[in-house]
Amino acid sequence: AQSVAQPEDQVNVAEGNPLTVKCTYSVSGNPYLFWYVQYPNRGLQFLLKYITGDNLVKGSYGFEAEFNKSQTSFHLKKPSALVSDSALYFCAVRPSSSNTGKLIFGQGTTLQVKP
Amino acid sequence: NAGVMQNPRHLVRRRGQEARLRCSPMKGHSHVYWYRQLPEEGLKFMVYLQKENIIDESGMPKERFSAEFPKEGPSILRIQQVVRGDSAAYFCASSTQGEGEQFFGPGTRLTVL
Repeated sequence: AQSVAQPEDQVNVAEGNPLTVKCTYSVSGNPYLFWYVQYPNRGLQFLLKYITGDNLVKGSYGFEAEFNKSQTSFHLKKPSALVSDSALYFCAVRPSSSNTGKLIFGQGTTLQVKP
Repeated sequence: NAGVMQNPRHLVRRRGQEARLRCSPMKGHSHVYWYRQLPEEGLKFMVYLQKENIIDESGMPKERFSAEFPKEGPSILRIQQVVRGDSAAYFCASSTQGEGEQFFGPGTRLTVL
């Protein structure tokens, strides 16, 4: 079965420190990979995506993600965390075999950035 | 350009009633997706529609749930005879094409008493 795993329910980091939110996937072929952020009582906001090309993708708000095909991972990173980055982060995959564009989401990781 | 709009934002229903959730896609978008987010879980795909057509409903429960996207007007997700397990946040997303980036609405939070 196709799936996305975010192994950490919560990540805690001090402001100014680097952060990593992990994501691995189990999907056949070459999927499209996405990161979204959700603030309380809000919809999902797009952060970045990987389709092809350079394995390091840069996105909104200083976030970046590294695609690793051999490890089937797409970890989200930021060099210096801000308190305002505290939110719920979702990794999502669109299988390349899908002709409908539907996304498969991980269960989400709550990021807490402490001052 | 207004984003994806959903209404109502909050909906309370008693068991057995009907719930109607509306989604207006971004201007120029003709593809609509519905996802459900249960408490403490990620989003789960429900249905994908283009104007007047259901393309993929593989994530829809077989009973009580239906969706439409008419030629004119918003997309509607309809839940008949709601049960407590239907309580969730329902998100709509739209795109310009099936492979395009999906833009999400703020969601409708359904509470079934």
